[in-house]
Amino acid sequence: GNSVTQMEGPVTLSEEAFLTINCTYTATGYPSLFWYVQYPGEGLQLLLKATKADDKGSNKGFEATYRKETTSFHLEKGSVQVSDSAVYFCALSENYGQNFVFGPGTRLSVLP
Amino acid sequence: SAVISQKPSRDICQRGTSLTIQCQVDSQVTMMFWYRQQPGQSLTLIATANQGSEATYESGFVIDKFPISRPNLTFSTLTVSNMSPEDSSIYLCSVEVQGVSYEQYFGPGTRLTVT
Repeated sequence: GNSVTQMEGPVTLSEEAFLTINCTYTATGYPSLFWYVQYPGEGLQLLLKATKADDKGSNKGFEATYRKETTSFHLEKGSVQVSDSAVYFCALSENYGQNFVFGPGTRLSVLP
Repeated sequence: SAVISQKPSRDICQRGTSLTIQCQVDSQVTMMFWYRQQPGQSLTLIATANQGSEATYESGFVIDKFPISRPNLTFSTLTVSNMSPEDSSIYLCSVEVQGVSYEQYFGPGTRLTVT
């Protein structure tokens, strides 16, 4: 079945550091890929998405590129802020939105 | 996109009791989903709720424990029955919005603690 793997957390960075959170997936078809963010005490928010190979999703300074050859969708940000501290979930969906699969989440802490 | 609200936002319940969580969406949607997020864990899908039909439960979840209602296209409830401390989790509802891709939007969650 489909699955999503993320790098182990927690990740602790200093403010303005470069961020990479790795995400790889296994899918039988051609899924859409997503990054969701969960701030402390809140629900999940859609951060960015990509629907086909080589698409780049971007939002709030975060980027991720859909790499079909490496089945990856790594999240990057050039300069993190304290307000980026949250848990980040990589996810995929196929079959018309059903079978939404989440990765285990990566907790990011950004220190001032 | 869709704006989703949940009630209650949190609750502390005694074991053996039941809690009903409400999920309200600001637009009509076909598919609604209920997830459980145990402490420090990722999301696990409990069931899919389509209006006008019985909910579809994932492996490990049964209707007697988690009955779901979906009376119309903007509302759903999830009941956690005969609770035990192992049911302490965040319960989230989400809806599917169809566009270029099939995105899911989430409510703020209900944080349940069972003592």
